[in-house]
Amino acid sequence: GENVEQHPSTLSVQEGDSAVIKCTYSDSASNYFPWYKQELGKRPQLIIDIRSNVGEKKDQRIAVTLNKTAKHFSLHITETQPEDSAVYFCAAPNTGNQFYFGTGTSLTVIP
Amino acid sequence: DTGVSQDPRHKITKRGQNVTFRCDPISEHNRLYWYRQTLGQGPEFLTYFQNEAQLEKSRLLSDRFSAERPKGSFSTLEIQRTEQGDSAMYLCASSLVAPGGYTFGSGTRLTVV
Repeated sequence: GENVEQHPSTLSVQEGDSAVIKCTYSDSASNYFPWYKQELGKRPQLIIDIRSNVGEKKDQRIAVTLNKTAKHFSLHITETQPEDSAVYFCAAPNTGNQFYFGTGTSLTVIP
Repeated sequence: DTGVSQDPRHKITKRGQNVTFRCDPISEHNRLYWYRQTLGQGPEFLTYFQNEAQLEKSRLLSDRFSAERPKGSFSTLEIQRTEQGDSAMYLCASSLVAPGGYTFGSGTRLTVV
C-alpha cells in the first residue's frame, strides 16, 4: 500500500509569513494528491488538490506543488493569518481511491 | 443535501458492549469510506463501498468490526465487544469519482470505558 510521510509535525510562523509543509509518497502510480485542513474538534476539509498531470496549482494564498520524479508534494501558504492555524494533512491514494494520510502538521500563526 | 451526516456525534459505552454508527453520504456520491482517527494522528482507512459493494477492508478492521451499505445509500459501522483501544473518532466520507477528494462527515467520537 501507499506510504505517506509528512514534515514538519509542528510549525509556527509569524502572521504574514509563509508556511511550507512537505509530503512524500511511495506509490509511483498515485495520481491525485489532496490537502486537508482540520480545525480542533472539526472534520477534515479539503482545501486544495493536485493531479499528476500538472506541477503546480494555486488558489488565492494557497498553492500545491508536485514533483512526480521525486515523489513529493508540498503545500504553500502565503501571507498567513491567524485563522490558518489548524492541523494540515496530506494524502495519497491507492488504486481504489482510498487515501493514506500523513501524520499531520500543526500550524500555529502567531499574531 | 447539506453534506455527509453521521450519527451519533458522541458515544460512550462500556467495554464489551456493541455499538453501531450511521453515515448518510452526499446523495449523488457512490463511494463511501470509513476512517478512524486517534488524537494527533491522521485518519486511518478502515473500509470503503462503491454503491452497495464493500470493495476493500483494511487489516485494521478486525473481526469485531462490520460495515454495511445495504441499498447503496447510508452505511452502518458496527463494533462488537468493544475494547478500550477502540476509542477514537470514526469518520465517514463520500466521493463521486476516483481519483477525487472526499467530503468528510463530522465524525462519531467513541469512548469505551
